[in-house]
Amino acid sequence: DTGVSQNPRHKITKRGQNVTFRCDPISEHNRLYWYRQTLGQGPEFLTYFQNEAQLEKSRLLSDRFSAERPKGSFSTLEIQRTEQGDSAMYLCASSFEGDFRFRGAFFGQGTRLTVV
Amino acid sequence: GEDVEQSLFLSVREGDSSVINCTYTDSSSTYLYWYKQEPGAGLQLLTYIFSNMDMKQDQRLTVLLNKKDKHLSLRIADTQTGDSAIYFCAERTNDMRFGAGTRLTVKP
Repeated sequence: DTGVSQNPRHKITKRGQNVTFRCDPISEHNRLYWYRQTLGQGPEFLTYFQNEAQLEKSRLLSDRFSAERPKGSFSTLEIQRTEQGDSAMYLCASSFEGDFRFRGAFFGQGTRLTVV
Repeated sequence: GEDVEQSLFLSVREGDSSVINCTYTDSSSTYLYWYKQEPGAGLQLLTYIFSNMDMKQDQRLTVLLNKKDKHLSLRIADTQTGDSAIYFCAERTNDMRFGAGTRLTVKP
C-alpha cells in the first residue's frame, strides 16, 4: 500500500468552472476526511465519511461543494462554479476506526487548486 | 482553527530541546495528535496520545497532556536542522480540528 493518493496534484481552472478531485485512501481504512488548507493556516475541516456514510459537514462546505464516497472506498470532492476564494490546497486523510489498533489519520499530498 | 491554539513561531539552536505548546477547548476530545509539515509536503503524523494518558514518549519525542487545563505539548530532544518544519496540534472527537501550526526554526 502506497498510502493516501490524491489526484490531480495541481489544478488550474477559470472562475465559474466546475472541478472534481479524487482521493484513494489506504485500502483497509474505513474513515475518510477532506480538509482545505490555505497559506499560513492549519487544515480546515470540510467533511468526513465513515464507510460510505457522510457523517459531518462543516459550515465551510457551501452548497457549491459536494463530496461522495459511493462504495466506501475512494472519494470525490466537487466544487461547482469555482470562485477565486476557493484557491487552496485540498487535503484528504484516512484512518481505521473500530479497534485498539487506531493510529491516527494519514494524509495524502493534496490537490492544489488555483482559480484564475 | 479557533478550537485549537498554538504559538506561531519557535526558534532553537541545534542540539537544544524544543517545546511546542497547544491548547484546545473541547473537553470531550478523545485523541490528540502532532503532525509535521515540511515545505511543499503533506502532513506527516508524528505521534498521538489518548485522552486518558498524560505522557507518551517515542524516541526523541515526548508528548505531555494536561487534560484539566486542556494543554498539550510536544518536546523534541536534541533538535536537529531536519526538524525545521511547521508542527500542527490536532484534537479529535468525531472529526479532527487543527491549530494554525507552529513554525520551528533550528539554527546551526
